[in-house]
Amino acid sequence: SAVISQKPSRDICQRGTSLTIQCQVDSQVTMMFWYRQQPGQSLTLIATANQGSEATYESGFVIDKFPISRPNLTFSTLTVSNMSPEDSSIYLCSAAQGGLAPEQYFGPGTRLTVT
Amino acid sequence: AQSVTQLDSHVSVSEGTPVLLRCNYSSSYSPSLFWYVQHPNKGLQLLLKYTSAATLVKGINGFEAEFKKSETSFHLTKPSAHMSDAAEYFCVVSDPGTYKYIFGTGTRLKVLA
Repeated sequence: SAVISQKPSRDICQRGTSLTIQCQVDSQVTMMFWYRQQPGQSLTLIATANQGSEATYESGFVIDKFPISRPNLTFSTLTVSNMSPEDSSIYLCSAAQGGLAPEQYFGPGTRLTVT
Repeated sequence: AQSVTQLDSHVSVSEGTPVLLRCNYSSSYSPSLFWYVQHPNKGLQLLLKYTSAATLVKGINGFEAEFKKSETSFHLTKPSAHMSDAAEYFCVVSDPGTYKYIFGTGTRLKVLA
């Protein structure tokens, strides 16, 4: 298994500003992912963070709004840019090793409120 | 395309009675299926996973799930509910090519004293 930490755990931000969320894994992992969970909703995949290359974004999410970095096998960041109140959500990162059907381990999430 | 449907958005049971949380999936492949639990203000915890081995999968905290291909179902059960089981439960199907997770909409379990 992997233990994942995220910073910050929560933040309140003004509209138009940006916030960078950090995700740290306690061991090297093959895959890292970023999700959004809007209030009372399920999780939606934002992107797959690829080590050493550009992230792979899901439909409806773009790099200009959610730039992602993954400089090594244990760390990734997600930036929420030019925020609006609609970006208020919990943002979670997850990690998985390779294999036939790897389980994902999730961080505790970052609760973002945009005013 | 793969998808997963959780048939109940809310389930209420009395403490000590059985729990049944229903999940149906759609997949073009032999699917990998998971159940996760999310307690209030906590992260997601893996309960169990199915990966084409035994169809009855045992997980943590007394939960188990049965894979039924003919019914495309993967329902989660527990013989006796405990107050600490009150949480949100997510059924997940995994894309075998990209390992991406597709989440169901979740079932909120309420346990009554």
